Amino acid sequence: EVQLVESGGGLVQPGRSLRLSCAASGFTFTDYAMHWVRQAPGKGLEWVSTINWNGGSIDYADSVKGRFTISRDNAKNSLYLQMNSLRAEDTALYYCGKDFTDSSGWQKLLDYWGQGTLVTVSS
Amino acid sequence: EIVLTQSPGTLSLSPGERATLSCRASQSVSGSYLAWYQQKPGQAPRLLIYGASNRATGFPDRFSGSGSGTDFTLTISRLEPEDFAVYYCQQYGSSSTFGQGTRLEIK
Repeated sequence: EVQLVESGGGLVQPGRSLRLSCAASGFTFTDYAMHWVRQAPGKGLEWVSTINWNGGSIDYADSVKGRFTISRDNAKNSLYLQMNSLRAEDTALYYCGKDFTDSSGWQKLLDYWGQGTLVTVSS
Repeated sequence: EIVLTQSPGTLSLSPGERATLSCRASQSVSGSYLAWYQQKPGQAPRLLIYGASNRATGFPDRFSGSGSGTDFTLTISRLEPEDFAVYYCQQYGSSSTFGQGTRLEIK
């Protein structure tokens, strides 16, 4: 059974940093690209970032480019999101997700999602 | 960036009725790389349809997707109580964007 468990969310002041983690199990982690998608309270979904199987290809939404860094540790079956210079508009539930396609690239199509970790940016 | 516009914003129907949800793209979605997700309160989204018309694992055949280019449709042939949720479309042919969602509520 595929499981994705996010952690690391919390309340943080504007301008500060936070690191999210996602522990993956139930599939061969190294076969898949992984994603972060966020959802502001009561709002829709926004794709945030994608990393391919070995970290050699990475993509970011314009809204987080230069502030967020996605990474993965295949030895630990874990995905990360380092978030710097946080803003109030970054407040959201952050989901990690597994890519649908087992290839060296990605499709940004998420077939499994975690339950999310809440990040609140406020003074 | 491809903008997806979903309509209606809210759809009120009764169990047993047919639901038709629309997703319109600001430009053509390459390769019909259009997906639909179902999200229930307090839960993560679930992949429902991919490639515009392929049903994901675990969903019954009363769910169907259609369309190409800029116009896509999700149809639920006969609503069951568990189908009432928010539905999002997503294009994944050019980076990734989501529609704003359609809330399907019980009338």
